[in-house]
Amino acid sequence: NAGVTQTPKFRILKIGQSMTLQCTQDMNHNYMYWYRQDPGMGLKLIYYSVGAGITDKGEVPNGYNVSRSTTEDFPLRLELAAPSQTSVYFCASTPSPSGSTDTQYFGPGTRLTVL
Amino acid sequence: KQEVTQIPAALSVPEGENLVLNCSFTDSAIYNLQWFRQDPGKGLTSLLLIQSSQREQTSGRLNASLDKSSGRSTLYIAASQPGDSATYLCALNTGNQFYFGTGTSLTVIP
Repeated sequence: NAGVTQTPKFRILKIGQSMTLQCTQDMNHNYMYWYRQDPGMGLKLIYYSVGAGITDKGEVPNGYNVSRSTTEDFPLRLELAAPSQTSVYFCASTPSPSGSTDTQYFGPGTRLTVL
Repeated sequence: KQEVTQIPAALSVPEGENLVLNCSFTDSAIYNLQWFRQDPGKGLTSLLLIQSSQREQTSGRLNASLDKSSGRSTLYIAASQPGDSATYLCALNTGNQFYFGTGTSLTVIP
C-alpha cells in the first residue's frame, strides 16, 4: 500500500491564482481530511469527508473548496490564492473516526507559498 | 470548542534522560486521544492511541496517560535518544473532527 499520497510537494503561487492540491489514499478509508499547519502551530482542519459525495467544513474553510467523487480521492481547491494561505497542507484518512482504535494516516504534505 | 494546549513548546535534554510532555484540553467528550510524531518537513506518524475508557497505553519506551476528568494527557519518554528529536503533537478525536495541539519540539543532545 502507498498509503496517503499528496501532490505536488511544493508550489509557489501568485496572489489571485488558483490551484488544486491532490490527495489519494489506497486503504479504502471512508473518512478523509484536509489540514493546514502554519509555522509553530498545530494542525487546523479545513474540510473533511465522511464518504464519496459527502463533505463538510472544518475549523478554517474560508478560501477553499473540496469535492469527493470517489473513495480514493479528495482534492482541495484554492480559487483565489492569498498570502494568508501560505502554509503546509496535510491530507489524512481514517477508516472511521469514532472507532476507538482507528488512527489517522497522514500524507507527506504540500508546502504552498503565495507571493 | 475544543482547545488543546501543549507545554512546553520546546524542550532540550541530554541523551538518556527521562522526560514528560504535557497536553491539556478543555472538553472531555472525546473518543480517543493520540500522540503523533512529526519530523521536519514530514507528515505525522501515530505513536500511541488511548481510548476514552483507558488510562494509559505503552509502546516500547513510550507511555501515554489520559485523565479526562482533569483534561490532561502526558507522554513519557524513557531513556531518550537523539533519534527521538522531533515535534510531538497530541490530537483529540471528538467524532468527525480531530483537534491538534501546537506541539512540543524535542531535541535530545548526544
